Parts: sequence; structure tokens; C-alpha cells
Amino acid sequence: DTAVSQTPKYLVTQMGNDKSIKCEQNLGHDTMYWYKQDSKKFLKIMFSYNNKELIINETVPNRFSPKSPDKAHLNLHINSLELGDSAVYFCASSQEGGYNSPLHFGNGTRLTVT
Amino acid sequence: DAKTTQPPSMDCAEGRAANLPCNHSTISGNEYVYWYRQIHSQGPQYIIHGLKNNETNEMASLIITEDRKSSTLILPHATLRDTAVYYCIPYGGAGSYQLTFGKGTKLSVIP
Repeated sequence: DTAVSQTPKYLVTQMGNDKSIKCEQNLGHDTMYWYKQDSKKFLKIMFSYNNKELIINETVPNRFSPKSPDKAHLNLHINSLELGDSAVYFCASSQEGGYNSPLHFGNGTRLTVT
Repeated sequence: DAKTTQPPSMDCAEGRAANLPCNHSTISGNEYVYWYRQIHSQGPQYIIHGLKNNETNEMASLIITEDRKSSTLILPHATLRDTAVYYCIPYGGAGSYQLTFGKGTKLSVIP
């Protein structure tokens, strides 16, 4: 049973397109996250979201928007894709954010913008 | 400012213990020390975490110094599948949502 699953695993698209990445967790967690890993392998948080608030990393362009239809899902919508958006995107989840709440990650979506 | 300092790379012979050090001298009193690893092409995997006391689970042991300024992750019998990048991350406090990854240590387990 996959705890945090993302689809698709690979996404190739052209500049200017709009795309979405889906994420689902079956752990009953309250909080979900999106991380971006660039070509230099640095992992950076983009968003964290629970039923109370969305926390956005201020460096994330507003072309990126998370959408949560319910507690088990946090999808990532990206408008007007740019070459620099090419990266691996990881979804994660945890119990209410805090000291005793390990994050569980999905296996990533590799986005390539041409 | 980097919150942690880890060696960029380490080698370990298969079957031997791998000891991965981390300095986190600016850790605050309510922050736990978390360890994650990322095996090539996979998502980060939680390993272990602790506050003050040493911790052990089925994957590893965590030794935290008394002043909490540094810690060591121990993989008791390293296997080839333990080859990965290991991240030490101070994290926590109520409402803490920012698990921030540094550069980590690339551990290579050698046959």
C-alpha cells in the first residue's frame, strides 16, 4: 500500500501550458506539502497546507497554486509553464505540523518543460 | 545561514557500521533532530528523530550530545541499499511547517 502517491510520475510539456500534479495520502494525516527539487538536488518547500491554513514559501511564483479537494488530497496546479519549472516535485504529508510529526514523501513527479 | 553542518560525502564498507555526524549548534530548545535519507530517484525517507535522549529503531540509532549541538546517526550494519544522501534537520515546535533540507551527506556503501 503506497502511503503517499503522486501522478503522473513523468510529465513532459511545452512552455506556456498549464498542468496539474495530483497527490493523495492514505495515512489520515492532517497536513500536506509540496517540495521542489531542482537540478542541483536542493529540496525546497513550496507549500504546506492543512484544514486551517495555507503557508506559502514567498519565493514561489503565483503561477503555482495548491488545491485541496479534501484532507487526503493536495494537487499542484501550474499555469504558464516556464523552462525553469523543470524539476522533480515531491508531495508529502504529516500529522498536524510540529515536533513529533515525521513527513512521509511520495516518489516524485519529474516535470520537464521544453 | 546554514542550520546544520554535515560532511559532503562518506564511504562505508558493506557490513560495517556507518556513523554520520551532524553539527547543529544553533538548535533551539523545542526543536527535534530529524534524520531523513534520499535514495537515488526516490522521495526522502524518514529515518529517526530525537530531542535529548538517544533513540533507536529498526533502521538506525541516533546519538545526541548532552549540549544538543551535534548528533550522530548510526546504521549498524550498512548494506548497499543504504547508499543515499542523508539529511540532518532540526525541526519542530508547535505549528512548525518548514522542514528545511540542507545539502546532506552522500553515503556510499562499498562492497
